[in-house]
Amino acid sequence: EVQLVESGGGLVQPGGSLRLSCAASGFTFSSYEMNWVRQAPGKGLEWVSYISSSGSTIYYADSVKGRFTISRDNAKNSLYLQMNSLRAEDTAVYYCGSVDWGQGTLVTVSS
Amino acid sequence: AIRMTQSPSSLSASTGDRVTITCRASQGISSYLAWYQQKPGKAPKLLIYAASTLQSGVPSRFSGSGSGTDFTLTISCLQSEDFATYYCQQYYSYPRTFGPGTKVDIK
Repeated sequence: EVQLVESGGGLVQPGGSLRLSCAASGFTFSSYEMNWVRQAPGKGLEWVSYISSSGSTIYYADSVKGRFTISRDNAKNSLYLQMNSLRAEDTAVYYCGSVDWGQGTLVTVSS
Repeated sequence: AIRMTQSPSSLSASTGDRVTITCRASQGISSYLAWYQQKPGKAPKLLIYAASTLQSGVPSRFSGSGSGTDFTLTISCLQSEDFATYYCQQYYSYPRTFGPGTKVDIK
């Protein structure tokens, strides 16, 4: 069974940093491209970032470019999102996935 | 960036109804379109990819069609578990944009 478990969310002040993790199991993680998608409270889905299966190709939404960094460790079956210079508008539930998606981790940016 | 629009933004329907949701891309995306279902507090669930290919395990009452800029998601006979919000997403180019969603609720 495919499982994706996000962690690392929490409350952070504006300008602060967080690192999200996504632990994958039940499939050959190293063969799959992965994404982060987020959803602000009461809002729709917003694609955030993509990384290819090898990690060699990466894309970001304009709203996070230069502040967020996606990475992966195929040996650990894990995906990461380093988030710096956080803003109030980054407050959202962050989901990792490709075909299946995890249950998400909530990031709240507030003073 | 490619802009995705959906109509209607919400609809009320009864169990057994046929429901159609439309998604339009601001430029041609061939068939690089996916449909997701999301229930409150839950992760999105992939229903359809490549505009019309049903994801494994998804009931056959769901179907998708279209190519280029205009796409539809049809639920042939609405069931109670289908009340949810539906999103289209293009994966023709980056950023992979989503539509704003269509909320299907009980009439």
